[in-house]
Amino acid sequence: QKEVEQNSGPLSVPEGAIASLNCTYSDRVSQSFFWYRQYSGKSPELIMSIYSNGDKEDGRFTAQLNKASQYVSLLIRDSQPSDSATYLCAAPGGQGNLIFGKGTKLSVKP
Amino acid sequence: GAVVSQHPSWVICKSGTSVKIECRSLDFQATTMFWYRQFPKQSLMLMATSNEGSKATYEQGVEKDKFLINHASLTLSTLTVTSAHPEDSSFYICSGRAPSSYEQYFGPGTRLTVT
Repeated sequence: QKEVEQNSGPLSVPEGAIASLNCTYSDRVSQSFFWYRQYSGKSPELIMSIYSNGDKEDGRFTAQLNKASQYVSLLIRDSQPSDSATYLCAAPGGQGNLIFGKGTKLSVKP
Repeated sequence: GAVVSQHPSWVICKSGTSVKIECRSLDFQATTMFWYRQFPKQSLMLMATSNEGSKATYEQGVEKDKFLINHASLTLSTLTVTSAHPEDSSFYICSGRAPSSYEQYFGPGTRLTVT
């Protein structure tokens, strides 16, 4: 059974700080990983995809992938209160679907 | 990113009635669509995978006769909750998978309340 694990949080950071969200996965052959953001009462929104080892930057977001350690992370620089949400990590499930972690709730305090 | 719409955004129905939820991919062809359910403060739960032109694949524990899924075209999938009961009240979310990718784009969700 493929699994994606995340710390449920809540993770609380002050405004302007770096928020670091972590995810581990069980399937060594996974080649792509995804970060979704879900605001309370809303559906998930894809914010980052990463396919190769190393860092991928998009604005204030940086995804980091380490396939050897089966670890993927999301860094949010200069965190804003509007970043307060639940962040879901996902990896391919092998049947065309995605396996989602349970999500990490981030709270950015003004 | 690709856009997926859902209709209705919320619905209230009486126990024993049926409700249909539509999911459309607006700017891409989604050969595969997924239906999820999410209860308050809980994580996403995959209900079924829907492939265009074929029968849906349901996850363990999901009653296929109660949650009817139809994926008649590359841009439209529907979920019908038959004989709804209060315990079916939940947030139902669909997603479409981008061609040649694992990326899924979610619709805005449908909040169902069964009274």
